[in-house]
Amino acid sequence: HLQLQESGPGLVKPSETLSLTCTVSGGSIYSSSYHWGWIRQPPGKGLEWIGSIYYSGTTFYNSSLRSRVTISADTSKNQFSLKLRSVTAADTAVYYCARAGFMATTLNWLDPWGRGTLVTVSS
Amino acid sequence: SYVLTQPPSVSVAPGQTARITCGGNNIGSKSVHWYQQKPGQAPVVVVYDDSDRPSGSPERFSGSNSGNTATLTISRVEAGDEADYYCHVWDSRSDHMVFGGGTKVTVL
Repeated sequence: HLQLQESGPGLVKPSETLSLTCTVSGGSIYSSSYHWGWIRQPPGKGLEWIGSIYYSGTTFYNSSLRSRVTISADTSKNQFSLKLRSVTAADTAVYYCARAGFMATTLNWLDPWGRGTLVTVSS
Repeated sequence: SYVLTQPPSVSVAPGQTARITCGGNNIGSKSVHWYQQKPGQAPVVVVYDDSDRPSGSPERFSGSNSGNTATLTISRVEAGDEADYYCHVWDSRSDHMVFGGGTKVTVL
């Protein structure tokens, strides 16, 4: 069955770039049926969508983060990645990757999710 | 931007019914998905497309959506249902995925 696993540094300094990778196993990201996305959750708070990428390279970004975010995909490695620039303490969160069904112009429910990785922004 | 509003908390006795609402402007025109998140775990979808249940989601979980309110109903609540629940839609006007603020369900 499909599994997603986040990886990357757990500690990032303020003003630097947060970089995470999601490795997909049990299925291919090169699929016209899905978007591959990132969602974060600050400690004790709710879920925030960051953005997603389609196998063609098309991306959707949360407008509140758009100026600092880049999501890319490497189909040869079956991975997709997140870069968040100029981070501050407010970017401290558990970062999840997940798959979303895609039909016409609509992204559907997220399933499955990775287990999440905590990234702390601190000097 | 599109906003989804959930009550912060719902308390329910074992065996009773819990109803979690998700309010949004004309949400009935959108497909609503619901996630359960237990402490230290990733969210898991329990209802999708307003009222469909994925395999593995108990029949006690059901959903409805009409007008400005979507509702997740948990029947015959069990202690294991204690968790945070989030509603989620895709806003096609802004091409944004939107989550509700989450509702903490406490089983008394």
